[in-house]
Amino acid sequence: DGGITQSPKYLFRKEGQNVTLSCEQNLNHDAMYWYRQDPGQGLRLIYYSQIVNDFQKGDIAEGYSVSREKKESFPLTVTSAQKNPTAFYLCASSIEGGVGVTGELFFGEGSRLTVL
Amino acid sequence: DAKTTQPTSMDCAEGRAANLPCNHSTISGNEYVYWYRQIHSQGPQYIIHGLKNNETNEMASLIITEDRKSSTLILPHATLRDTAVYYCIVRGGSYNTDKLIFGTGTRLQVFP
Repeated sequence: DGGITQSPKYLFRKEGQNVTLSCEQNLNHDAMYWYRQDPGQGLRLIYYSQIVNDFQKGDIAEGYSVSREKKESFPLTVTSAQKNPTAFYLCASSIEGGVGVTGELFFGEGSRLTVL
Repeated sequence: DAKTTQPTSMDCAEGRAANLPCNHSTISGNEYVYWYRQIHSQGPQYIIHGLKNNETNEMASLIITEDRKSSTLILPHATLRDTAVYYCIVRGGSYNTDKLIFGTGTRLQVFP
């Protein structure tokens, strides 16, 4: 079945450690996105990629890094520079991205990161 | 800037229709209205979208006012499994749609 797979679902990290969250899609979508969600809050955009080998910062990119070497993969690294990394992280994709696009977003089930 | 405004929370009795309003008074002519919902600790799920006309699918109906400044999502026969946070967003038009703004949404509680 087509969809988006995020892993791990739960992750614990010690302060000062980098951690990478995986996001894979087999929908053949060009655009992929990473959102962060804090308790009781909406989704905030971290990074997005409209095409392979290209990505753009969202509203809260500081302390995060991404890569888009393959169309189906868009991993997110939470670095030690991220001051408050404990959150629920959501990956999404859409057929295409950019100005004027209207396609729906497909979301993964999320990864919950806790910093100890 | 927020593109949409929604009530923080709503209640609905099981089996009754749930009507969730959304205000998008600054919507432009080529922007679509999308609705998603998020059940606790899961990824948001697409529900429905529309431009001008009312839309219906197996999950819900979307009623858009003639001036397109507001819309209502209707769940015709709410069940306990419809308890979730519902997000109304706009997409398309001349702004970069990759900076979608998901507000805090409406928390719908369906009770027996």
